[in-house]
Amino acid sequence: GNSVTQMEGPVTLSEEAFLTINCTYTATGYPSLFWYVQYPGEGLQLLLKATKADDKGSNKGFEATYRKETTSFHLEKGSVQVSDSAVYFCALKGSRGSTLGRLYFGRGTQLTVWP
Amino acid sequence: DGGITQSPKYLFRKEGQNVTLSCEQNLNHDAMYWYRQDPGQGLRLIYYSQIVNDFQKGDIAEGYSVSREKKESFPLTVTSAQKNPTAFYLCASSTPRTGEQYFGPGTRLTVT
Repeated sequence: GNSVTQMEGPVTLSEEAFLTINCTYTATGYPSLFWYVQYPGEGLQLLLKATKADDKGSNKGFEATYRKETTSFHLEKGSVQVSDSAVYFCALKGSRGSTLGRLYFGRGTQLTVWP
Repeated sequence: DGGITQSPKYLFRKEGQNVTLSCEQNLNHDAMYWYRQDPGQGLRLIYYSQIVNDFQKGDIAEGYSVSREKKESFPLTVTSAQKNPTAFYLCASSTPRTGEQYFGPGTRLTVT
């Protein structure tokens, strides 16, 4: 079946520190992979995506590379800001049969950045 | 502007009452979804609909019901059979082409 495992938080960093949030997945077929961000009290916003192996998604200084050999999609940012404080969700899109179109989410990782 | 609206943002109900949460989208998306979010548990899928007049149960459908009479609207009813209804509810929509889901701002339901 399809599932996503992401590192548990919370993650606390100082401004300008390097960020990595680990995400690994289990899937049938060839899923697409996503990172979403949720600011307090709001819905989720798409941060970046990758649709096939070795694709790199990037947005707002965040990057993630679709690694089929390690079934991973780790989120990275070279220098975080206070405004990056949020909850980050890794997700995969089912690609076959009854799971087509569904998103499967990890549990989310709370990131807090201190000035 | 195109987007997804959910209303109200906060909703309070007494135990034993049914309550309906609204979700409307003007993105012309075929598929719509309802999720429940609890602290530390991520998002769990309640129901989804790929097309008008059709919907499927997600992972935690018990105690919930939906309808999809119009492409733009996918209301969720939280019935009195739902044992623990207090949560943050998120609606989303997507197109088959990209698979990206777009989320509404959410409704926080409190049942006492």
